[in-house]
Amino acid sequence: EIVMTQSPVSLPVTPGESASISCNSSQSLFHSNGFHYLDWYLQKPGQSPQLLIYLVSDRASGVPDRFSGSGSGTDFTLKISRVEAEDVGVYYCMQALETPFTFGPGTKVDIK
Amino acid sequence: QVQLRESGPRLVKPSETLSLTCSVSGGSMSDMYWNWFRQSPGKGLEWIGYVYHSGSTNYSPSLRGRVTISIDTSNNQFSLKLTSLTAADTAIYYCARRGRSTSGWYQGIDYWGQGTLVTVSS
Repeated sequence: EIVMTQSPVSLPVTPGESASISCNSSQSLFHSNGFHYLDWYLQKPGQSPQLLIYLVSDRASGVPDRFSGSGSGTDFTLKISRVEAEDVGVYYCMQALETPFTFGPGTKVDIK
Repeated sequence: QVQLRESGPRLVKPSETLSLTCSVSGGSMSDMYWNWFRQSPGKGLEWIGYVYHSGSTNYSPSLRGRVTISIDTSNNQFSLKLTSLTAADTAIYYCARRGRSTSGWYQGIDYWGQGTLVTVSS
C-alpha cells in the first residue's frame, strides 16, 4: 500500500499569517488520466473530517480561497494564507490513486 | 444537501459481529462509491472499504475476510459488517461518499456522516 507522511506534526500559527503543511507519498500519485489523486481534509475538534482540496489543487465547494494546494509526483503542499481561528484542527492528506486509500498521520494546527 | 447518518450498536462484545447502517438522504445513490472509514481513539483515519451502487465492493487488505459492505438503494442505505471483533476494532466509524462530477471525474470524499463510536468490550 502507499504510505503517506506529513510534516510538521504540530503547527502553531498566528491569526493573519500563512501556514504550510507538507505531504509525501511512497510512490507517485499520478494517474494516466493526467491527474494526481491527492486530497486534503480538515478534522475540526469533535467533528468528522471535511474535504478541503481534491486532485491536488481543486477546492471543494464552500472552501475559502485562503486554502490552496500544490505539488506533483510524491510531494504535495497545503497552504493556508491569512489563518483564522476557525482553521484549527488536524489536517490530513489522503491518496485516492489506489486502494487501500491511505492517510497521512495528520498535522495539528492551533493558534499561538 | 446530501446527509449521511450512521446507526448501530455502541457496545459490542469481543468475538462478536458489528453491524452498522448508513442512511443517505438528499441525493441519489446512483453512480457513486459509498465508503466506510474508522478512527481509533486518538489515532488517524483508516479506510475500511466501499460499495458501488451496483453492489460491487472493494475492501482494505488489512480487514479482508472479516468485512462485508452491502448496499440497499431502494432504501437509500448501505451497511458494514465486521466479524470476529477485538479491542483493536474500537473506533469511531464513519460512512462517507466518494464524490464525482457529472462527467465522472473524482471529487474527493465529499460527504461524511457524523460518526459513531463503537466500543468492543465484554
